[in-house]
Amino acid sequence: AQSVAQPEDQVNVAEGNPLTVKCTYSVSGNPYLFWYVQYPNRGLQFLLKYITGDNLVKGSYGFEAEFNKSQTSFHLKKPSALVSDSALYFCAVSPRSNDYKLSFGAGTTVTVRA
Amino acid sequence: DAGVTQSPTHLIKTRGQHVTLRCSPISGHKSVSWYQQVLGQGPQFIFQYYEKEERGRGNFPDRFSARQFPNYSSELNVNALLLGDSALYLCASSFDYVTGDNYGYTFGSGTRLTVV
Repeated sequence: AQSVAQPEDQVNVAEGNPLTVKCTYSVSGNPYLFWYVQYPNRGLQFLLKYITGDNLVKGSYGFEAEFNKSQTSFHLKKPSALVSDSALYFCAVSPRSNDYKLSFGAGTTVTVRA
Repeated sequence: DAGVTQSPTHLIKTRGQHVTLRCSPISGHKSVSWYQQVLGQGPQFIFQYYEKEERGRGNFPDRFSARQFPNYSSELNVNALLLGDSALYLCASSFDYVTGDNYGYTFGSGTRLTVV
């Protein structure tokens, strides 16, 4: 069975500072990895994904994530956070052997203060 | 093009009742997946349908069922509602049925179901 852990319920940063949201995963075989963002009363918006190739993935709105196979991690990063980045962030994993469903973490609430 | 459309956006039901949630995928998408998001948790996979056939089912009781129509729209049905079924139900559409393709999943805004 696959699973995702997001160890921080909340992350607070000042605008302009770097933002990191942590994610570790457990899956049999090689994974597909995803980050989604959710704004209040909205569905999930896709940010980026790792399928294969370069371990550093660049996504929407200036976000990037690094796949680290040895540490089974896929941390989300943004060099300079904006107040508008305040939202709920979800990491998700899908095993390549059974790649029809996503397993999500519990989410991390990011608050960026002006 | 319109995104993934879900209806209704909100509804309130009484314990024991039945509910039907609807999803219209992005034009050209052949796969629809359903997820349940309980407050404070990440979404949980319920079903995936591709070309009108069920391709996967999550760990949900038989009270949950779904189907996909020839136009690729989908319905999620829940019978004998329990208080614990209160959640945001998300529909995701994709061109293909795999998560790792180049197109990815697009989620709708969800249906907020409250069971009282």
